[in-house]
Amino acid sequence: AQSVTQLDSQVPVFEEAPVELRCNYSSSVSVYLFWYVQYPNQGLQLLLKYLSGSTLVESINGFEAEFNKSQTSFHLRKPSVHISDTAEYFCAVSDRWNAGNMLTFGGGTRLMVKP
Amino acid sequence: DAGVIQSPRHEVTEMGQEVTLRCKPISGHDYLFWYRQTMMRGLELLIYFNNNVPIDDSGMPEDRFSAKMPNASFSTLKIQPSEPRDSAVYFCASAGKTGNEQFFGPGTRLTVL
Repeated sequence: AQSVTQLDSQVPVFEEAPVELRCNYSSSVSVYLFWYVQYPNQGLQLLLKYLSGSTLVESINGFEAEFNKSQTSFHLRKPSVHISDTAEYFCAVSDRWNAGNMLTFGGGTRLMVKP
Repeated sequence: DAGVIQSPRHEVTEMGQEVTLRCKPISGHDYLFWYRQTMMRGLELLIYFNNNVPIDDSGMPEDRFSAKMPNASFSTLKIQPSEPRDSAVYFCASAGKTGNEQFFGPGTRLTVL
């Protein structure tokens, strides 16, 4: 069984400040890792993913996440946030070897960017 | 591609009525998932299909909920009879064979009065 813990339910931050959204997972098998973003009144959109290779992955809008196997973490960071980054962010994990494509989601972190 | 399509986007009904939510996955995707999102419980997986066959329905809350996938391009989630505690946003998502990335629809906001 897998589980995902997002330690912060809400993160308030001022515009242009850096931010880190924390994600820890537990799994007995190798995993794929994902960050999804949900803007108000919309569905979830994939922000970035780690499947293999470099442990540092980046999105097109300046977010990055680093897979740390020893700490079982996949924290999401951005050096300078914008008002438009206000959204809910979900970390998710799936079993690398499970053809079922099931994702286990964390509880979400609401990022609130203030002017 | 139009992405995952869900209908209706909003549904308001009275307790005891039957509700049917619809989903059209992305063409060529083999997996289809139904989720429910509430403030209290977050995002919950209800059921998922692989090649139109239900694989895991352990998340379906009770017998009032049922889901079908009669073909590769259509799925329904039915609640009968509906109750106020079913009020939530219901998402459909689909995925291809590899990479495990799921593509979400815009959701159906259900309000049961």
